[in-house]
Amino acid sequence: GNSVTQMEGPVTLSEEAFLTINCTYTATGYPSLFWYVQYPGEGLQLLLKATKADDKGSNKGFEATYRKETTSFHLEKGSVQVSDSAVYFCALSVRGSARQLTFGSGTQLTVLP
Amino acid sequence: DTAVSQTPKYLVTQMGNDKSIKCEQNLGHDTMYWYKQDSKKFLKIMFSYNNKELIINETVPNRFSPKSPDKAHLNLHINSLELGDSAVYFCASSQGLAGGPETQYFGPGTRLLVL
Repeated sequence: GNSVTQMEGPVTLSEEAFLTINCTYTATGYPSLFWYVQYPGEGLQLLLKATKADDKGSNKGFEATYRKETTSFHLEKGSVQVSDSAVYFCALSVRGSARQLTFGSGTQLTVLP
Repeated sequence: DTAVSQTPKYLVTQMGNDKSIKCEQNLGHDTMYWYKQDSKKFLKIMFSYNNKELIINETVPNRFSPKSPDKAHLNLHINSLELGDSAVYFCASSQGLAGGPETQYFGPGTRLLVL
């Protein structure tokens, strides 16, 4: 089956620190990979995505590269801000699976001023 | 304009009651989903409809019944509510099933608390 394993949180960083949230996956078939973000009290928003090996998704200073050889899609940001405090979810979907998203367990990020 | 909306936003009810959560999307999408997020933030698919047809029905108790009156709406009815049903329920939608990977657009969630 399909599964996503995410780095456990919570993660607490100071403003301007470097962020990495690890994500690895197992999938039957060739998955597309996503990072979603959930701000406090809100629904999920797509942060970035990648659809094939070596693709790099990027948005709002966040980046993640689809690494097929290591089945990974780690999220990085060079300098976090207080406004980045949220829960981050790694997810995948596989063609033919009715497009359902399989999510990781989420990583709570808190950025302190 | 809200793309995916859910009502109510909060729902507090007694065990054994029956309740419904409504979802509407104005994006013109063909596919809609219900997800459940537990207290540890873990998200799991419950149901998916494409053009009003059920295409995903995960291992969910029969007390949960989705209904899609048209492509823009996917409602969730829950009978005989139990304490373990307390969670946040998210509705989502995407363009369709064919073609490349699809972004899903999520509603703000319905926070259900069963007492």
